[in-house]
Amino acid sequence: SQTIHQWPATLVQPVGSPLSLECTVEGTSNPNLYWYRQAAGRGLQLLFYSVGIGQISSEVPQNLSASRPQDRQFILSSKKLLLSDSGFYLCAWSLGRGAGNTIYFGEGSWLTVV
Amino acid sequence: AQSVTQLGSHVSVSEGALVLLRCNYSSSVPPYLFWYVQYPNQGLQLLLKYTTGATLVKGINGFEAEFKKSETSFHLTKPSAHMSDAAEYFCAVRSGGGADGLTFGKGTHLIIQP
Repeated sequence: SQTIHQWPATLVQPVGSPLSLECTVEGTSNPNLYWYRQAAGRGLQLLFYSVGIGQISSEVPQNLSASRPQDRQFILSSKKLLLSDSGFYLCAWSLGRGAGNTIYFGEGSWLTVV
Repeated sequence: AQSVTQLGSHVSVSEGALVLLRCNYSSSVPPYLFWYVQYPNQGLQLLLKYTTGATLVKGINGFEAEFKKSETSFHLTKPSAHMSDAAEYFCAVRSGGGADGLTFGKGTHLIIQP
């Protein structure tokens, strides 16, 4: 069966510091990968998605970036964090290109920028 | 463009009462519709989804939803609420093909009164 792991689960970082959140999917190959952010009272916002190694699509301009160095690895980064980057970050995956395919979520990472 | 509106950021029902969480969508093409549940500090879990075929969809934990094209709605119901149903519920839409992600509503927090 497929599983998704993301880490760290909780992170407290000062303003201006770098960020790296990692996500891996096991038990499948060539998944579509996603990063979402959930801010209080604002629902879930799609940040990036990837259909293959090195292929990243950005949905929202910001100081975050994403990379996919391996087929089942997705990394969310920032060179300098802002207070507004605080939130709950969720990695997710799906298979195929069908719009009806389910997207499966990881357990999330809490980021607090202080 | 697609969007989702969830009426009521908080819904409170008594244990054993009917649960009704409202979701309306906007999509220029036939949509695929999803309901996810999120328990505190966890990722999202799929409750049910509508792709094609029968408009009444049954999901996990006794939940179901009905796709009504004429009303552009996909309301979530459960005949009898349990205390364990207390959580955040998200409606989401995805249109067309490709691997782009879901568009989520802002969520409804379901409170179960004993």
